[in-house]
Amino acid sequence: DVKVTQSSRYLVKRTGEKVFLECVQDMDHENMFWYRQDPGLGLRLIYFSYDVKMKEKGDIPEGYSVSREKKERFSLILESASTNQTSMYLCASSSEQGEPQETQYFGPGTRLLVL
Amino acid sequence: DAKTTQPPSMDCAEGRAANLPCNHSTISGNEYVYWYRQIHSQGPQYIIHGLKNNETNEMASLIITEDRKSSTLILPHATLRDTAVYYCIVRVGPNKIIFGKGTRLHILP
Repeated sequence: DVKVTQSSRYLVKRTGEKVFLECVQDMDHENMFWYRQDPGLGLRLIYFSYDVKMKEKGDIPEGYSVSREKKERFSLILESASTNQTSMYLCASSSEQGEPQETQYFGPGTRLLVL
Repeated sequence: DAKTTQPPSMDCAEGRAANLPCNHSTISGNEYVYWYRQIHSQGPQYIIHGLKNNETNEMASLIITEDRKSSTLILPHATLRDTAVYYCIVRVGPNKIIFGKGTRLHILP
């Protein structure tokens, strides 16, 4: 079974803090994604990566950065957390690049509260 | 925008088959139909996907109409743990998944 793990299920941070969200997958997938999910807005793509050290902006990259130093690990960084970044953050991974049949597998999510 | 239409909620008695419909009338020839579910406060869980033919795995069956304009996800013997929001998705591109509002399935004891 594909396993995608995220470093924390719940996180509370203060405005202005630097926040690191870690995601690890154990299926040797090339592709990894970071989404945030908010009520009424659905899932929104923040960043994704098709290979080590490679990153692409998604729909809402502002205020975020990412790091992919190893194939299995994809980190999301909030350089200076703000209250509007309070959300559920979801990491996903997949193995086929750009194919219609690409299946993304999600982690359990990190619920971040910024005070 | 999501390219699918689903009922906002459904009820199903425990032990019965849950049949969740989805309309995707604008689906194009190479787009797959995917189903995910999300249990409260957890990440979305992949269930099944298909292109033209009906598909079955250990979790569910997927029935796609011949014209591919609609599909039905079948959970053969629903349990309380199947209570979740179920999302029907047509892949609109290689990079991201667009979730619609989904169907909130309530399994009744």
